[in-house]
Amino acid sequence: DAGITQSPRHKVTETGTPVTLRCHQTENHRYMYWYRQDPGHGLRLIHYSYGVKDTDKGEVSDGYSVSRSKTEDFLLTLESATSSQTSVYFCAIQGERVGETQYFGPGTRLLVL
Amino acid sequence: EDKVVQSPLSLVVHEGDTVTLNCSYEVTNFRSLLWYKQEKKAPTFLFMLTSSGIEKKSGRLSSILDKKELFSILNITATQTGDSAVYLCAVAPAGFAGGTSYGKLTFGQGTILTVHP
Repeated sequence: DAGITQSPRHKVTETGTPVTLRCHQTENHRYMYWYRQDPGHGLRLIHYSYGVKDTDKGEVSDGYSVSRSKTEDFLLTLESATSSQTSVYFCAIQGERVGETQYFGPGTRLLVL
Repeated sequence: EDKVVQSPLSLVVHEGDTVTLNCSYEVTNFRSLLWYKQEKKAPTFLFMLTSSGIEKKSGRLSSILDKKELFSILNITATQTGDSAVYLCAVAPAGFAGGTSYGKLTFGQGTILTVHP
């Protein structure tokens, strides 16, 4: 398995509270991604990073922010959690070689009450 | 907007059956199509297809891409209960490694495959 960990693995929080999810990699890969997975929607890209301090929005970025201060860590923050952000969140990493695929972390289950 | 549609959404078969999963796409700048398998945890990579008509094979699984008709199929022969999973199709946009759009995958909804003994 690619060296990707996510923390926490499970979290229950209340509406309106900020939440930060962490993705940590040991592969030194340049590209990192945050997805959410909901029934009937597959995986949808939230934000991604193409280098330290270089990030951009994905398909469903409203209500989320990210930061990447070092290669190995990519943080996803829900600024004020809402029940619609209850989901499973996956981080993925990808190297720069042509044809390199994305490898996914174990996921974080977030429940917003 | 890029779009990926998988069919069927769910499928129930018995061990030994052969199944075909479908993935059609509309993408502005296509680079490759990927298949993943997800078993109650993180998706795991199966295949990456870039060229039309060239079959990729791994054991009982095989996949092929048709860039003219904009679809791919994933075949599983002699299914086993361990094949039960969600199968995800994704398309990757054109872009060079090192570019800012590299790796922005668009996923389909997934096909839930259940294989009964």
